[in-house]
Amino acid sequence: DAGVTQSPTHLIKTRGQQVTLRCSPISGHKSVSWYQQVLGQGPQFIFQYYEKEERGRGNFPDRFSARQFPNYSSELNVNALLLGDSALYLCASSGDRGRGQPQHFGDGTRLSIL
Amino acid sequence: EDQVTQSPEALRLQEGESSSLNCSYTVSGLRGLFWYRQDPGKGPEFLFTLYSAGEEKEKERLKATLTKKESFLHITAPKPEDSATYLCAVQANSNTGKLIFGQGTTLQVKP
Repeated sequence: DAGVTQSPTHLIKTRGQQVTLRCSPISGHKSVSWYQQVLGQGPQFIFQYYEKEERGRGNFPDRFSARQFPNYSSELNVNALLLGDSALYLCASSGDRGRGQPQHFGDGTRLSIL
Repeated sequence: EDQVTQSPEALRLQEGESSSLNCSYTVSGLRGLFWYRQDPGKGPEFLFTLYSAGEEKEKERLKATLTKKESFLHITAPKPEDSATYLCAVQANSNTGKLIFGQGTTLQVKP
C-alpha cells in the first residue's frame, strides 16, 4: 500500500515568492496534518485538517495557509517567503481526527529560500 | 505549557552495547505518547504508541516504556542499522491531533 506522498521533493525559491506544497494521504485516511522541521529540531505543528475542515492551527503567521480537497489530499501555501521559512515540510495522515491514532509521515518537501 | 524534552541529544554506542533514550514530558492530559525513527533526508517512521503509565511495547531490539512523567526507549544489543534520530512526541487531550515533538536523540552505532 502506498504511504503518504508529497510533492515536490525539493524546491528553491527567493524571498518574497509564494510556494504551494502538495500531500496525498494514505488511502482511507481522512486527517492530514502539516509540520515544519528545521535542521536539528523536532517537527513543529502547522495545521490539521479533517474532513476538509481546519481542526487545529499552530503558532505560525497568516502567511501560512492550507486546504483539504474532497479526495482528502491537501495543499500548504506559504506567501511572502522569508529566509527563515527554509525547512523540511512534512505531511502526516491518520485514520481518525488524530485522537490517539498514530500519524504516518511522508518524506517531506525540502524548501530552500535564497 | 505542553513540552517534551529528550536526552541525550546524541549517543554513540558500540554494536551490542545496550542503552536507553529518555523522553520527559509535561502535558495537560495525555492522550498518547509516540516514538518515531527518522533517517537522514526521510520523514519520521512510526514505531510505538503508549497510552497509559505502566504500558510497554516491544519491536525487535526496541522496547518503549511509559511513566506519568517520562518515557524510555531501550535499545538492546544495537546494530549499525539502528543508527538514526529517534523522536518522541505527545498528543494532549484536546480537540486537535497536534503532536508536540522533542528535539530528538541522534544515535550512532559503530560496528
